[in-house]
Amino acid sequence: EAQVTQNPRYLITVTGKKLTVTCSQNMNHEYMSWYRQDPGLGLRQIYYSMNVEVTDKGDVPEGYKVSRKEKRNFPLILESPSPNQTSLYFCASSSGQGWVGEQYFGPGTRLTVT
Amino acid sequence: GDSVTQMEGPVTLSEEAFLTINCTYTATGYPSLFWYVQYPGEGLQLLLKATKADDKGSNKGFEATYRKETTSFHLEKGSVQVSDSAVYFCASSSNYQLIWGAGTKLIIKP
Repeated sequence: EAQVTQNPRYLITVTGKKLTVTCSQNMNHEYMSWYRQDPGLGLRQIYYSMNVEVTDKGDVPEGYKVSRKEKRNFPLILESPSPNQTSLYFCASSSGQGWVGEQYFGPGTRLTVT
Repeated sequence: GDSVTQMEGPVTLSEEAFLTINCTYTATGYPSLFWYVQYPGEGLQLLLKATKADDKGSNKGFEATYRKETTSFHLEKGSVQVSDSAVYFCASSSNYQLIWGAGTKLIIKP
């Protein structure tokens, strides 16, 4: 089954404790992206990657890191989480092919930073 | 810069009512346009899309027409069901990013 998986689905952590949210897709997609969703703000893109070893900042990259060492995986790293990073996070992928509108989303990771 | 504006929710309707959710966009070029749906507790799913002016996207009884003259892509459905209750997002493509609207929560009452 074609899918995007994220882990963990729920995470409660404390300020400053480094964490990683994993994302994996099995569709051989070149494009992958991370979003955060906050009430009243819709979806905001954090980082995206057009292919292996190619990553770019989205609209709200501060406080986050990503890496793309393999095509299927695109982990999101919070080196020193803060309470304002409490949010619902989504990973997405797309075949690309000139445009990235048709994206496949993971189920989401709800992060709480206390 | 490019932007997408959609009507604020929540939108509350009775079952079998007609639905319209408005979406307008601003863009320097000719973007592709999308509607995504997010059911409770799930990620977003592509509902329909249109890649050029006058195209009509349709899926699951929902339709939207790409209107270049009014820069709009309104979502419509003739008869909604309780199972259509969800959050609906309008989006436009811009280079290698999607520009998202804020989302409209739809509540359908039996």
